[in-house]
Amino acid sequence: DTEVTQTPKHLVMGMTNKKSLKCEQHMGHRAMYWYKQKAKKPPELMFVYSYEKLSINESVPSRFSPECPNSSLLNLHLHALQPEDSALYLCASRPQGQPGNTIYFGEGSWLTVV
Amino acid sequence: GQQLNQSPQSMFIQEGEDVSMNCTSSSIFNTWLWYKQDPGEGPVLLIALYKAGELTSNGRLTAQFGITRKDSFLNISASIPSDVGIYFCAGILAGKSTFGDGTTLTVKP
Repeated sequence: DTEVTQTPKHLVMGMTNKKSLKCEQHMGHRAMYWYKQKAKKPPELMFVYSYEKLSINESVPSRFSPECPNSSLLNLHLHALQPEDSALYLCASRPQGQPGNTIYFGEGSWLTVV
Repeated sequence: GQQLNQSPQSMFIQEGEDVSMNCTSSSIFNTWLWYKQDPGEGPVLLIALYKAGELTSNGRLTAQFGITRKDSFLNISASIPSDVGIYFCAGILAGKSTFGDGTTLTVKP
């Protein structure tokens, strides 16, 4: 089982709304990621959590706030977003240690900011 | 930062033809990953490569981890219409991923 589950699949929110994207994996992976992807572009790394601690923040604006409540869950809290933040948001996970450097993606959450 | 050059950017081929795409970098990686992404979906892992020189197959797909650890290629043999999509390479080092810009494959029946 290499499943990463993301909800919701689609989200439309206004610029003053607060919403959250959720991600779940039960593969025992201890690294989890958030990526942002625009159409026909590669995924852009936003955040990396390793053992439930934030290890990489790629200078993401504070209107995006990640949270890792436990080893299976990863959230992305959204507040005061801009229309240019509309994109596919991908969650991914990775087992730690060699040869486990394989990143598994969820199906993504399509976010539209109006 | 690390950058990957993925080529070609796009390919238009006839069904049954073989396809080859590659990624090169000025930096080394510990792992090379190849993904396929269909419209509206997340990237799906095709092949993972963990050692320099490693050659791995997955059905009609074959990929290699370059000896210098700075490059990788993906071959698809006897293409079929469902091979259409965007193919991304990704290099992994110290848990951080770097993606190529993708190769868009179109297969004409």
